[in-house]
Amino acid sequence: EAQVTQNPRYLITVTGKKLTVTCSQNMNHEYMSWYRQDPGLGLRQIYYSMNVEVTDKGDVPEGYKVSRKEKRNFPLILESPSPNQTSLYFCASSPDMGMYEQYFGPGTRLTVT
Amino acid sequence: GDSVTQMEGPVTLSEEAFLTINCTYTATGYPSLFWYVQYPGEGLQLLLKATKADDKGSNKGFEATYRKETTSFHLEKGSVQVSDSAVYFCALSEADNNDMRFGAGTRLTVKP
Repeated sequence: EAQVTQNPRYLITVTGKKLTVTCSQNMNHEYMSWYRQDPGLGLRQIYYSMNVEVTDKGDVPEGYKVSRKEKRNFPLILESPSPNQTSLYFCASSPDMGMYEQYFGPGTRLTVT
Repeated sequence: GDSVTQMEGPVTLSEEAFLTINCTYTATGYPSLFWYVQYPGEGLQLLLKATKADDKGSNKGFEATYRKETTSFHLEKGSVQVSDSAVYFCALSEADNNDMRFGAGTRLTVKP
């Protein structure tokens, strides 16, 4: 089954404790992206990757890191989480940008206390 | 830059009512337009799309027409069902840009 998987689905952590949210896709897609969803703001892009070893900042990259060592994986790293990073996070992938739809993971709800 | 504005919710309708969710966009080039739906506890999934002016996207009884003259992509359904209760996002994407722009989302609740 073609899908994007994320783990964990739910995470409660404390300020400053490094964490990683994993994302994996099995569709051989070139493009992958991370979004955060906050009430009233829709989805805002954090980072994206056009291909292996190619990543770039989206609209809200502060406090986040990513890597793309393999085509299928695109982990999101929070080196020192803060309460303002409490949010719902989605990973997405697509063959390319433009007319192509994005396929979304099920989401990771992160709470930073 | 590119942006999407969609009508604020929440929207509450009775079953079999007509639905319209307005979406307008600003873009520098010729974007593709999308409607995504998010059911409770799930990720977004594509509902329909249109890639050029005057195209009509349709799926599951939902329709939207790409109107370049009014820069709009309004979502419509003639008769909603309780199972249509979800959050709906309008989005655009341009090949020259490396991101997809989303509206704020509109929560729809359909009551029996």
